[in-house]
Amino acid sequence: EPEVTQTPSHQVTQMGQEVILRCVPISNHLYFYWYRQILGQKVEFLVSFYNNEISEKSEIFDDQFSVERPDGSNFTLKIRSTKLEDSAMYFCASSVQLRGVTEAFFGQGTRLTVV
Amino acid sequence: AQKVTQAQTEISVVEKEDVTLDCVYETRDTTYYLFWYKQPPSGELVFLIRRNSFDEQNEISGRYSWNFQKSTSSFNFTITASQVVDSAVYFCALETGANNLFFGTGTRLTVIP
Repeated sequence: EPEVTQTPSHQVTQMGQEVILRCVPISNHLYFYWYRQILGQKVEFLVSFYNNEISEKSEIFDDQFSVERPDGSNFTLKIRSTKLEDSAMYFCASSVQLRGVTEAFFGQGTRLTVV
Repeated sequence: AQKVTQAQTEISVVEKEDVTLDCVYETRDTTYYLFWYKQPPSGELVFLIRRNSFDEQNEISGRYSWNFQKSTSSFNFTITASQVVDSAVYFCALETGANNLFFGTGTRLTVIP
């Protein structure tokens, strides 16, 4: 069964460092997303990406964040200068919209710890 | 504005009991989709079900069933004969035309053997 793959599963980084989280969406999916879940809290939408550009983004997705689809298969989330409060589980998701129906498939998540 | 409320923060049941997880949503859109996801202790998000706003038929899948009532804006989830493996955090989510998911705060279910 096809699945969304995220690497690494756990990343520890020092405050102020740049970090790149990687995702390989399901191959025939056209929509890509990043979500964040701070420990013990709800899952929050960050950004959606379609046709090589951002289609929606939340207030959380500020100038420190960027997304890219560098090679047609990977979908990356970059945090330019990490802060302690960026520590969270980051989920990538992809979906194919067929006649208005969307089902997002989530990756297993990358746990980011900023120290 | 969209909102999903899961008023039950934590529920504990004894194995084999039935349990219902509540979800109430708010949206002004007439076309929307409702989802339930399971997050086991390992952390991943597992898709359980999607319903669209035009289909109020209740659904049953094995021990799982869902009750969608537009009149009360609710999409409740029942697990029959709960098992220890059902222990997880369960999230209800809403998708409208913006094509992204709004999640509730989740309900942590603990099934005691």
